[in-house]
Amino acid sequence: QVQLQESGPELVKPSETLSLTCSVSGGSISSSSYYWGWIRQPPGKGLEWVGDIHYSGTTYYNPSLNSRVTISIDTSRNHFSLSLTSVSAADTAVYYCARRLVGYDYWGQGTLVTVSS
Amino acid sequence: DIQMTQSPPSLSASLGDRVAITCRASQSPSTYVNWYQHKPGKAPRLLIYATGNLQSGVPSRFSGSRSGPDFTLTISSLQPEDFATYYCQQTYRTPWTFGQGTKVDIK
Repeated sequence: QVQLQESGPELVKPSETLSLTCSVSGGSISSSSYYWGWIRQPPGKGLEWVGDIHYSGTTYYNPSLNSRVTISIDTSRNHFSLSLTSVSAADTAVYYCARRLVGYDYWGQGTLVTVSS
Repeated sequence: DIQMTQSPPSLSASLGDRVAITCRASQSPSTYVNWYQHKPGKAPRLLIYATGNLQSGVPSRFSGSRSGPDFTLTISSLQPEDFATYYCQQTYRTPWTFGQGTKVDIK
């Protein structure tokens, strides 16, 4: 059974960088079939796609994030990471990591990241 | 971007009711429309992928279909554990986009 677990700071100051890691267990992140992604949900709002990465290093990002986002992958540690720079209160959200084949079939439990001074 | 317009935003239904939720795509997403169930404090759950394919482990009372630009999630007989928010999503063209969500609660 594949399991994903997000980790990282729960509080980030405005203008700083949000960094999260998703650790994958029960399966290899190097499988060619899957992409690994980040999705977020601001409080009281709907789901927003942040970006995806393949083990080969191919990435896709949401252009609404204005080039602030970088997703990287470490196959030796079986994890992938999210970096979001120059954060503001609008980036406060529950951040989920997930695995995608067609839809996202396995998800982490989510982690609330609050942007506040 | 492909906009997914989901309706209704909310609905009240009784146990055993048949429920339908619809998403209309602003451009054709081919068949790459997925449906998720989301409960507070939990991760979203994939129910249907690629329009009408039931994800493994999902009860058969959930089904997905398409008619022209409209994609529909149907719950044939609402059960207590089905009260949740439902989202459609297209994964045909990036950026992948979600509908605004439909909250299903108890009448």
